[in-house]
Amino acid sequence: GQNIDQPTEMTATEGAIVQINCTYQTSGFNGLFWYQQHAGEAPTFLSYNVLDGLEEKGRFSSFLSRSKGYSYLLLKELQMKDSASYLCAVVSGGYNKLIFGAGTRLAVHP
Amino acid sequence: DADVTQTPRNRITKTGKRIMLECSQTKGHDRMYWYRQDPGLGLRLIYYSFDVKDINKGEISDGYSVSRQAQAKFSLSLESAIPNQTALYFCATSDFKAGGSDEQFFGPGTRLTVL
Repeated sequence: GQNIDQPTEMTATEGAIVQINCTYQTSGFNGLFWYQQHAGEAPTFLSYNVLDGLEEKGRFSSFLSRSKGYSYLLLKELQMKDSASYLCAVVSGGYNKLIFGAGTRLAVHP
Repeated sequence: DADVTQTPRNRITKTGKRIMLECSQTKGHDRMYWYRQDPGLGLRLIYYSFDVKDINKGEISDGYSVSRQAQAKFSLSLESAIPNQTALYFCATSDFKAGGSDEQFFGPGTRLTVL
């Protein structure tokens, strides 16, 4: 079966660091995406990992361990505008379909 | 101008009505997808198409049909809408290149309510 788990909700303080975890069990793995989605809006691309290790892009970093079926998204220097849902999605199968987790709703407080 | 557009953006309809949601893209991508999003369930794939002559069922295709009229257009139809098809619908596109990520680009969404 296909299963992707991430926490439903998290809260953090402006200026702080937050780590959003994602664990997955899928039949096949061809990469992992993180998307950001503000309420009622389209998901937008944040990061992509296909090899083990850390990918850094400004205030956002994403880590992958394929042997553990685990990824995290790290957000530094949190801003109020980072309040959004963060979607973990695994690329699986011969057609490279995306399988999404339910998303983690992050609330950033002053 | 938006690269992926969806029409309508909002629609309220009644049970049993036929509804068509349309998606157009100017990105020149071959691959197009339809998802629905429900609270607490994340995005689920309804149908996908890798070129004009290729249509594939996704995870939850029952009650839906699609048409790929051209490379740039991919329509989703609900032949006889029912209340549990009330959801936010997203179209997405991607352009697979060997060694690339096949990142998907999403349209703004269509909020559909079936009464």
